[in-house]
Amino acid sequence: NAGVIQTPRHKVTGKGQEATLWCEPISGHSAVFWYRQTIVQGLEFLTYFRNQAPIDDSGMPKERFSAQMPNQSHSTLKIQSTQPQDSAVYLCASRTGGEQYFGPGTRLTVL
Amino acid sequence: GQQVQQSPASLVLQEGENAELQCNFSSTATRLQWFYQHPGGRLVSLFYNPSGTKHTGRLTSTTVTNERRSSLHISSSQTTDSGTYFCAMNNNAGAKLTFGGGTRLTVRP
Repeated sequence: NAGVIQTPRHKVTGKGQEATLWCEPISGHSAVFWYRQTIVQGLEFLTYFRNQAPIDDSGMPKERFSAQMPNQSHSTLKIQSTQPQDSAVYLCASRTGGEQYFGPGTRLTVL
Repeated sequence: GQQVQQSPASLVLQEGENAELQCNFSSTATRLQWFYQHPGGRLVSLFYNPSGTKHTGRLTSTTVTNERRSSLHISSSQTTDSGTYFCAMNNNAGAKLTFGGGTRLTVRP
């Protein structure tokens, strides 16, 4: 069990470019979550899928962020027209039962 | 929305001392987890403990659901315990975890 896998581990983009972050949940886990972590805001929920269906995207900035889960083995978080304030560590987690397991995160730096 | 408060925000110990980390939340928790994060590292789940007491090694988690609080006790601290400890919970209104601000623990040799 490799745990939750996230790629890339680090990504640097220029302002206005697009960033796509990938997550492979633990096999058999039906729920996938995206969070982001910054020094100022701490850990914030972004969006959540259950059995690949979007359930709650209440934490997603509406205009430039989107997430998909095309199959049970991966989810993507896409940020269009990245801005410096999008710089953060983006965390993916998967869950079976009650406990969430987190991946190592993708550190996004927007210059 | 639900809120999670952790205290203290930071704590410095000498190796061998015990630590008690507190977590208070604004609504009844249906799920509660304690996590550990080393600087630059991933969030590692220490306990899934929505109620009662759980032990693993030198760590003990106690959640009192009707008082909306949980604690993490670290006994005989070691330098390798240094890092940030997060409490996170959700209630029956949704599955997302709401995190506290964390307790940064430093254990000196």
